[in-house]
Amino acid sequence: NAGVTQTPKFRVLKTGQSMTLLCAQDMNHEYMYWYRQDPGMGLRLIHYSVGEGTTAKGEVPDGYNVSRLKKQNFLLGLESAAPSQTSVYFCAIKAGVGDTQYFGPGTRLTVL
Amino acid sequence: SQQGEEDPQALSIQEGENATMNCSYKTSINNLQWYRQNSGRGLVHLILIRSNEREKHSGRLRVTLDTSKKSSSLLITASRAADTASYFCATDHTGTASKLTFGTGTRLQVTL
Repeated sequence: NAGVTQTPKFRVLKTGQSMTLLCAQDMNHEYMYWYRQDPGMGLRLIHYSVGEGTTAKGEVPDGYNVSRLKKQNFLLGLESAAPSQTSVYFCAIKAGVGDTQYFGPGTRLTVL
Repeated sequence: SQQGEEDPQALSIQEGENATMNCSYKTSINNLQWYRQNSGRGLVHLILIRSNEREKHSGRLRVTLDTSKKSSSLLITASRAADTASYFCATDHTGTASKLTFGTGTRLQVTL
């Protein structure tokens, strides 16, 4: 997974609970991304960051917040989890514009 | 949404045969990338083709890009059972801060 780690690997939440997913990289890349993947679908972009201290919304940002306080870490937060957020979450990194994205192993989240 | 479409959605072939999957997109791209995903796992980058390239090879993989038709194809030659996976195309669109837009994927089954 090209030096991209995700924590935790699995999590079960109850509706209304909060949690934070951590993506960490050891490659010093500027760009980091959070995606979600639902059954039978491709990945959809939630939020992304083009450098330390920056964040921006992707295609499906509602219900999520992110922070990139350190270059190595990109955090994805769910303030009040909903069943619709049951999904597999993937983090990705990229060195620069037009480069390959490298993905982490994923976090499988179930919201009951 | 700029999400691309892949064709076919599912493909079943025998070992040794070639597998071809297609991807179409809607707006101008910087590059197009193909990824493989084994069941329940993260995405593995296969190949990247830039908008000024027409064909690229990597081992048993051959990718073509036709920007006039806004389409790409991935050919896997002499397929093996280990090639069984889902394959996704992802487009890096011009002026989108290098965000990737994923297709819905082709599920390839290679039988012995």
